[in-house]
Amino acid sequence: DGGITQSPKYLFRKEGQNVTLSCEQNLNHDAMYWYRQDPGQGLRLIYYSQIVNDFQKGDIAEGYSVSREKKESFPLTVTSAQKNPTAFYLCASSIQDLGRPQHFGDGTRLSIL
Amino acid sequence: DQQVKQNSPSLSVQEGRISILNCDYTNSMFDYFLWYKKYPAEGPTFLISISSIKDKNEDGRFTVFLNKSAKHLSLHIVPSQPGDSAVYFCAASGTFLPTQGAQKLVFGQGTRLTINP
Repeated sequence: DGGITQSPKYLFRKEGQNVTLSCEQNLNHDAMYWYRQDPGQGLRLIYYSQIVNDFQKGDIAEGYSVSREKKESFPLTVTSAQKNPTAFYLCASSIQDLGRPQHFGDGTRLSIL
Repeated sequence: DQQVKQNSPSLSVQEGRISILNCDYTNSMFDYFLWYKKYPAEGPTFLISISSIKDKNEDGRFTVFLNKSAKHLSLHIVPSQPGDSAVYFCAASGTFLPTQGAQKLVFGQGTRLTINP
């Protein structure tokens, strides 16, 4: 079954700690994206990547970092510099073509201890 | 301005009737519009999309209408079923990102649809 796998489903972070959220896809998509969802709001773009070893900042990249060493994988690190990290994080991927939909994983909920 | 708005946070519809979800946008440069459905603790699932050069697209019980002059789109679900109860996000797509070919999705805030038996 092709799809996007995010892990873990729930994650707790202590103050001053970095945590990494995993995102793996087997859809052979070139483009991958990270979004953040807060209650009552739409999804906001954190980072995106079109090809391996290349990624760009989205609208709210401060306090986050990513890597794209493999086509299938796009992990997101929430650093201690992110002052309000509690949110639902969603990873997506798509074919690099206008109008093709982005497909989403089931998300990781990050909470602060 | 890349804003996409869903002004109704919630909507309640009787089973079997038509559900109409609305979405407004401000930027005429959007190329595509998409609707996603989301259940709690899950990722959004793509439902249907429409190109900016069309005014209607239909897929089974789902129809999306686009009114470019009013910068308004709507999703019609008919007949509504209990399994349609979810949060629906409107999203607009355009090549706003600085890297060539990358498309950005701008999401509305979502509308929670409840189908009553």
